[in-house]
Amino acid sequence: ILNVEQSPQSLHVQEGDSTNFTCSFPSSNFYALHWYRWETAKSPEALFVMTLNGDEKKKGRISATLNTKEGYSYLYIKGSQPEDSATYLCAFLGQAGTALIFGKGTTLSVSS
Amino acid sequence: DTGVSQDPRHKITKRGQNVTFRCDPISEHNRLYWYRQTLGQGPEFLTYFQNEAQLEKSRLLSDRFSAERPKGSFSTLEIQRTEQGDSAMYLCASSLVRPVLETQYFGPGTRLLVL
Repeated sequence: ILNVEQSPQSLHVQEGDSTNFTCSFPSSNFYALHWYRWETAKSPEALFVMTLNGDEKKKGRISATLNTKEGYSYLYIKGSQPEDSATYLCAFLGQAGTALIFGKGTTLSVSS
Repeated sequence: DTGVSQDPRHKITKRGQNVTFRCDPISEHNRLYWYRQTLGQGPEFLTYFQNEAQLEKSRLLSDRFSAERPKGSFSTLEIQRTEQGDSAMYLCASSLVRPVLETQYFGPGTRLLVL
């Protein structure tokens, strides 16, 4: 059974703080890792699709890194804002698969 | 809005009733997926279609569940004889299929409560 773990489960920070989350996934048969942001009552929003070991991607104040050899990815948010409050999900895609295997998510709350 | 849409957004039903959900994918996307999210869990794969063909089903998809994509466009997910354990968020996603698999774009989900 493939397992995708995310930590921490939840996080509360003050506006302006920088923060990071971890996603751990199987290091074998890796094809891609997806990051999504899911705000309440909205659709999950695709942030990044990462495929190469050592890959780094950036979108505004959010960036992500990928280590496929050891099976982890970090998501960083620089200078958190209240609008960053959401659940951040990572999802693993194996070489033989079509379905994303999701972690349970990290719920971020940013206070102003 | 050209994103993935789902209808209804919320459904409350009594145990034993049948329910049907609809998903309209992004128009040029040929793959359509259904996922289910229960409380405290991440989304879990149920099934997917490529055009009108249903190519994979999860073990989570019991025989009370059926999904269709009759013309390769919208899809429906029906749950017969609902049980309280079916209460969940049902998410639909769509993607293109190219040599490299594309991002899956999600709809807002249908939240089902079975009383």
